[in-house]
Amino acid sequence: AQSVTQPDIHITVSEGASLELRCNYSYGATPYLFWYVQSPGQGLQLLLKYFSGDTLVQGIKGFEAEFKRSQSSFNLRKPSVHWSDAAEYFCAVGAGSGGYNKLIFGAGTRLAVHP
Amino acid sequence: KAGVTQTPRYLIKTRGQQVTLSCSPISGHRSVSWYQQTPGQGLQFLFEYFSETQRNKGNFPGRFSGRQFSNSRSEMNVSTLELGDSALYLCASSLEARGPGNTIYFGEGSWLTVV
Repeated sequence: AQSVTQPDIHITVSEGASLELRCNYSYGATPYLFWYVQSPGQGLQLLLKYFSGDTLVQGIKGFEAEFKRSQSSFNLRKPSVHWSDAAEYFCAVGAGSGGYNKLIFGAGTRLAVHP
Repeated sequence: KAGVTQTPRYLIKTRGQQVTLSCSPISGHRSVSWYQQTPGQGLQFLFEYFSETQRNKGNFPGRFSGRQFSNSRSEMNVSTLELGDSALYLCASSLEARGPGNTIYFGEGSWLTVV
């Protein structure tokens, strides 16, 4: 069965420090992978997506993610974190087959940023 | 271009009542899906509609239902509300017909509290 694991529930970093959020997936076919961010009380905003091609994907707000098939991972990175990056981050895999759209989400990683 | 719009944003209902939530997708998007978000279960897929047809349903009881209108607007209904139905209900829309690689855009959600 398809699944997504985000091993870190909470992460705290200092402003200006680098960030890496981990994501591992389980999916039989070529995965379609997404990272979303959710600020408190808000919906989900798409940061970036991987469908095929270059395994290093650039997204909005200075985020990037690298797809590693051998490790079944799609980790999110940012070289320098800003206080406004404090939010919850969700990794997801597109699991729809037969023509429908469906995302399977990880449990999320809550990011706190210290000044 | 307007995003996914959900109404109402906040509502409080009593156990045993029913509730209807509304979603207007991004203009031109024909696929609408619904997700439930709770602290305990995380983000879970409810169902997806395309061209007024439900294409897939998640693992939720029959009290959860939905429909899509010819203008792609969608509603979901929860009957006989239980305390455990308290959640953020997110609507999402997508442009193309076939998944799983489509980009899915989310609304800000409807916060339902059942008392």
